[in-house]
Amino acid sequence: GIQVEQSPPDLILQEGANSTLRCNFSDSVNNLQWFHQNPWGQLINLFYIPSGTKQNGRLSATTVATERYSLLYISSSQTTDSGVYFCAVRVKGNTGKLIFGQGTTLQVKP
Amino acid sequence: EAQVTQNPRYLITVTGKKLTVTCSQNMNHEYMSWYRQDPGLGLRQIYYSMNVEVTDKGDVPEGYKVSRKEKRNFPLILESPSPNQTSLYFCASSLAGGETQYFGPGTRLLVL
Repeated sequence: GIQVEQSPPDLILQEGANSTLRCNFSDSVNNLQWFHQNPWGQLINLFYIPSGTKQNGRLSATTVATERYSLLYISSSQTTDSGVYFCAVRVKGNTGKLIFGQGTTLQVKP
Repeated sequence: EAQVTQNPRYLITVTGKKLTVTCSQNMNHEYMSWYRQDPGLGLRQIYYSMNVEVTDKGDVPEGYKVSRKEKRNFPLILESPSPNQTSLYFCASSLAGGETQYFGPGTRLLVL
């Protein structure tokens, strides 16, 4: 089956720093989503981004489907950005199945 | 308020005692899905439903059952829970199968 790998697995930043999280996938996908799980366990969708670039405030994401990767950029990080970031892909030909990466755990220190 | 709700939020039970975790959404979404989250394994899909009366297996369906008799509800049933089903469970929904998913708050289950 399709493999989804995220890097780095862990990241510690000082408040105000920028970071880039990466998601690689091993096969063609229908779409890709980025989620943030906050320290209380709540999962929030950040981007639905099958291709191209999207921006939402200090966050932006780029997916290059032909090269099978996606990047999530966090600029001017804040302590509220802490948590786990997941990417998830839909397998091509099956819009029901969603495969998650293992996540990147981000800690932003004040 | 548009939301996905799950009940109960926390549950401690014993091996073999049947239980049901309910999931309900008020967004008229066609697609619903269940996931479990375990340390080091991330989120794994258990079952999903593309529409009423249509369900299919995800990656880890063993030991679970689901039903989708009406659009808004998608209960997860553990007929005979075992300790390896101790986990954090999430329900999610989306407008259609390939769309942005919205997650419930999670149900933390401990099977003794």
